[in-house]
Amino acid sequence: AQSVTQPDIHITVSEGASLELRCNYSYGATPYLFWYVQSPGQGLQLLLKYFSGDTLVQGIKGFEAEFKRSQSSFNLRKPSVHWSDAAEYFCAVAPFSGGYNKLIFGAGTRLAVHP
Amino acid sequence: KAGVTQTPRYLIKTRGQQVTLSCSPISGHRSVSWYQQTPGQGLQFLFEYFSETQRNKGNFPGRFSGRQFSNSRSEMNVSTLELGDSALYLCASSLAGTGSETQYFGPGTRLLVL
Repeated sequence: AQSVTQPDIHITVSEGASLELRCNYSYGATPYLFWYVQSPGQGLQLLLKYFSGDTLVQGIKGFEAEFKRSQSSFNLRKPSVHWSDAAEYFCAVAPFSGGYNKLIFGAGTRLAVHP
Repeated sequence: KAGVTQTPRYLIKTRGQQVTLSCSPISGHRSVSWYQQTPGQGLQFLFEYFSETQRNKGNFPGRFSGRQFSNSRSEMNVSTLELGDSALYLCASSLAGTGSETQYFGPGTRLLVL
């Protein structure tokens, strides 16, 4: 069965520090991969997505993610975190076949930023 | 363009009642998906509609149903509410629902079942 694992439930970083959020997926082929962010009381906003091609993907708000097929990973990174980045981050996959919208989400990583 | 809108934003119901939630997609989007978000189970896919047809369904009981209208607006219904149905219900829209498209999420409807 398809699944997404985000090993870190909570992460705390200092403002200005670098950030890496981990994501591993289990799927027979390379799925479509996404990172979403959710601020308190809000819906989900897409940060970036990967389908094929260059394995380093740039997104909004200074985020990037790297796809590593050998590790079935799609980790999210940011070189310098801002206090406004405090939120919950979700990695998600969509099955490649079928052509339908069905996102399978990880459990999420809650990010706290210390001043 | 206006984003995805969901109504109502908050709802309180009692066990055994039924509830209908509404989602208006971004103009021109024909695919609408619904997700349930709870602290225990996280984000789970409920179903997806495209051109008034349900194309995909998650692993939820038959008490959860939905429909889509010709203007792409969608409703989901939960009958015989249980305490465990308390959740944030999110809807998302995309142009054609091809899987690779970006899905745009609404702010959600927070349902509390007492």
